[in-house]
Amino acid sequence: GQNIDQPTEMTATEGAIVQINCTYQTSGFNGLFWYQQHAGEAPTFLSYNVLDGLEEKGRFSSFLSRSKGYSYLLLKELQMKDSASYLCAVMDSNYQLIWGAGTKLIIKP
Amino acid sequence: ETGVTQTPRHLVMGMTNKKSLKCEQHLGHNAMYWYKQSAKKPLELMFVYNFKEQTENNSVPSRFSPECPNSSHLFLHLHTLQPEDSALYLCASSQDRGSGANVLTFGAGSRLTVL
Repeated sequence: GQNIDQPTEMTATEGAIVQINCTYQTSGFNGLFWYQQHAGEAPTFLSYNVLDGLEEKGRFSSFLSRSKGYSYLLLKELQMKDSASYLCAVMDSNYQLIWGAGTKLIIKP
Repeated sequence: ETGVTQTPRHLVMGMTNKKSLKCEQHLGHNAMYWYKQSAKKPLELMFVYNFKEQTENNSVPSRFSPECPNSSHLFLHLHTLQPEDSALYLCASSQDRGSGANVLTFGAGSRLTVL
């Protein structure tokens, strides 16, 4: 079967760096997405990786290793507003999105 | 108004009621989706419409009935629901279906409670 694994919850300190990991086993691969979802709000798109390597967007970076079935989202200079759930999703060979259960990130002052 | 708008934001209904969820997008997208989001579970895709045609129904019980009258509007009609159907129902849209970089734009969801 197809599976996405990510930690259920993580805690980090304001101003620090946190890395949220995502491992996947899917039928084929057409890209990996990260979304951010604040409580009670819509998930919003953060990043898309289809080739190996690191994509940087301001304080957020996303890394992909297709051979290892592995990605991470790196958040630098954490701010209180980064407290949210982070959803990892992989598009399989049929262009179906397979979702992880999300990682709830708690930022402490 | 831009983005994806869902109404109502909150809905409480009995098991014998009939209600509808509404979704509207003003992004010019051709594909629209209904997802179910339950606590600590992955998003569950329910239905997909592409150019107003239903292209996917992921074994959703018939008590959920989608309707897509045009490319901007999507409804989810609810009838004789069960308490386990209580969840957040998310609508999303994307430019099209079946391409790699298919970014979804989500609405804020309709929180449904079935008593």
